[in-house]
Amino acid sequence: DAGITQSPRHKVTETGTPVTLRCHQTENHRYMYWYRQDPGHGLRLIHYSYGVKDTDKGEVSDGYSVSRSKTEDFLLTLESATSSQTSVYFCAISEAAGGFRNSPLHFGNGTRLTVT
Amino acid sequence: QKEVEQNSGPLSVPEGAIASLNCTYSDRGSQSFFWYRQYSGKSPELIMFIYSNGDKEDGRFTAQLNKASQYVSLLIRDSQPSDSATYLCAVNIPDYGQNFVFGPGTRLSVLP
Repeated sequence: DAGITQSPRHKVTETGTPVTLRCHQTENHRYMYWYRQDPGHGLRLIHYSYGVKDTDKGEVSDGYSVSRSKTEDFLLTLESATSSQTSVYFCAISEAAGGFRNSPLHFGNGTRLTVT
Repeated sequence: QKEVEQNSGPLSVPEGAIASLNCTYSDRGSQSFFWYRQYSGKSPELIMFIYSNGDKEDGRFTAQLNKASQYVSLLIRDSQPSDSATYLCAVNIPDYGQNFVFGPGTRLSVLP
């Protein structure tokens, strides 16, 4: 498995509380991504990073922020969690964008977040 | 509009048969196509990728790409019960920052 660690693996939190999910990689890949996966919607991109301090929004970025202060760490923050953010969150990494240079996405093990 | 479509299934095949999974995409500029397998409760894992029109074989798996018709398919020969999983098609979308868009996945069930 690619060296990707997500923490925590499971979290239950209350509506309105802030939540931070962490993704740590040991592959020194430039690109890091946060996806959420929900039944009927598949994997949807929240935010991504193409370098330290370089981030951009994905398809479903409302209510989420990210930070990348080091190559190996990519944090996803829910400033004020809502029930609609109950989901499974996956971090992914890739060496290059768009699968170029035979560079696919590799996924972490996921974080199951429940907002009550 | 960035769309990747797959039949949600479930697709049921008997053990030893060929399973055929299909994916269509809307962006003619897409260049990279990936197939992932996801077991229930687990993360997606890469099966194979394809960039050029035609077939690409890797063991029991064959990916087929037809850019003119905008579809990519995955064939699984000699299907095994351990192949039972959800298969995700991922396509890079140039107008989406070259990021990937995933299809909703097709659930495959291989019956012993």
